Amino acid sequence: DSGVTQTPKHLITATGQRVTLRCSPRSGDLSVYWYQQSLDQGLQFLIQYYNGEERAKGNILERFSAQQFPDLHSELNLSSLELGDSALYFCASSDREGNYEQYFGPGTRLTVT
Amino acid sequence: GEDVEQSLFLSVREGDSSVINCTYTDSSSTYLYWYKQEPGAGLQLLTYIFSNMDMKQDQRLTVLLNKKDKHLSLRIADTQTGDSAIYFCAEKRAGGYNKLIFGAGTRLAVHP
Repeated sequence: DSGVTQTPKHLITATGQRVTLRCSPRSGDLSVYWYQQSLDQGLQFLIQYYNGEERAKGNILERFSAQQFPDLHSELNLSSLELGDSALYFCASSDREGNYEQYFGPGTRLTVT
Repeated sequence: GEDVEQSLFLSVREGDSSVINCTYTDSSSTYLYWYKQEPGAGLQLLTYIFSNMDMKQDQRLTVLLNKKDKHLSLRIADTQTGDSAIYFCAEKRAGGYNKLIFGAGTRLAVHP
């Protein structure tokens, strides 16, 4: 158990809908990262937050957004969902911005039908 | 092509050593990682190596880094059935904030 929690574990929704994925980092970790794992794209970095502020953006679509709250948990919002958004979404955390150890949560499996 | 490349599949006999290889392209990589993903599970950080090191050993795991060839390997000694999983190589680059760039993963199958 990495100490990073994600909810829900599974999510099934229809095209065009909007969902919110939640992540709680390890106790004391200030940095949160979101990754997407899909069959065709592999594991790709989406976005990073550090202590509430966005730090880096990767291959994140404009339909997707994220935020980190004062209690350090983070939410990833996915809207206007398409079939191709079906994937495993992972959250990872580290204790400070420059730390080289990222610990991953169990992931949320999103299925868009 | 991918920035981090791995072979997709490796099959070994229980008790033998496994060697999983990875190549990367960016010489500015500062840290290189090995993660393990078991079926239906998240990514488990196995080990990592700083780019100015050649080798790191941690119990049954040995990481070798050839910076000149941009080649990273993970050796698992005395491979067990519980080692069956997908192993991901990842790099963190200088100036790239902290995002990790992952390879496609190597599926390790351990048979009796």
